[in-house]
Amino acid sequence: GDSVTQMEGPVTLSEEACLTINCTYTATGYPSLFWYVQYPGEGLQLLLKATKADDKGSNKGFEATYRKETTSFHLEKGSVQVSDSAVYFCALRSPGSARQLTFGSGTQLTVLP
Amino acid sequence: ETGVTQTPRHLVMGMTNKKSLKCEQHLGHNAMYWYKQSAKKPLELMFVYNFKEQTENNSVPSRFSPECPNSSHLFLHLHTLQPEDSALYLCASSQEEGEIGRPQHFGDGTRLSIL
Repeated sequence: GDSVTQMEGPVTLSEEACLTINCTYTATGYPSLFWYVQYPGEGLQLLLKATKADDKGSNKGFEATYRKETTSFHLEKGSVQVSDSAVYFCALRSPGSARQLTFGSGTQLTVLP
Repeated sequence: ETGVTQTPRHLVMGMTNKKSLKCEQHLGHNAMYWYKQSAKKPLELMFVYNFKEQTENNSVPSRFSPECPNSSHLFLHLHTLQPEDSALYLCASSQEEGEIGRPQHFGDGTRLSIL
């Protein structure tokens, strides 16, 4: 079955530091890949997505590239802000899994001023 | 504003109570979902409704009973819950047709505490 593996947190960074959250996946067929973010007290919001190999999703300074050869979709940001503190979830949808979203376990990011 | 509204935001109930969670989406989507989010565990998909028909029930105990009267509204009826059912319950919706790259849109959740 489909699965998503994220780097375990929590991750604590200083403001303006570089961020990478690793995500690798196993899926049936050619999945679409997503990063969701959950701010304290809120639900999940779509951060970015990529639907085919070598696509790069980007939003709010975050980027992730769909790497089919390494089955990875790592989230990166060059300079984090305190307001980026949240939980980040990697997820996929594949045709072979009844089109359902499969989530990673989430990575807690805390950015200190 | 995500277009998906959940009520109540917080709910405290005893194990013998009966209550319902409500979800409403204003996005014109045709699929709706219930998820359970517990501390230190991945999101668990509970139920899926597609065009008002339940298409997925991931081995959820019968003390959780979903209802989808139309494509904009989704309920989760609760009765005789257990302490381990305390969690954040998230509702989501999506437009299900064609390509699989369409994202799900989430509400802010109902924080449920069982006494």
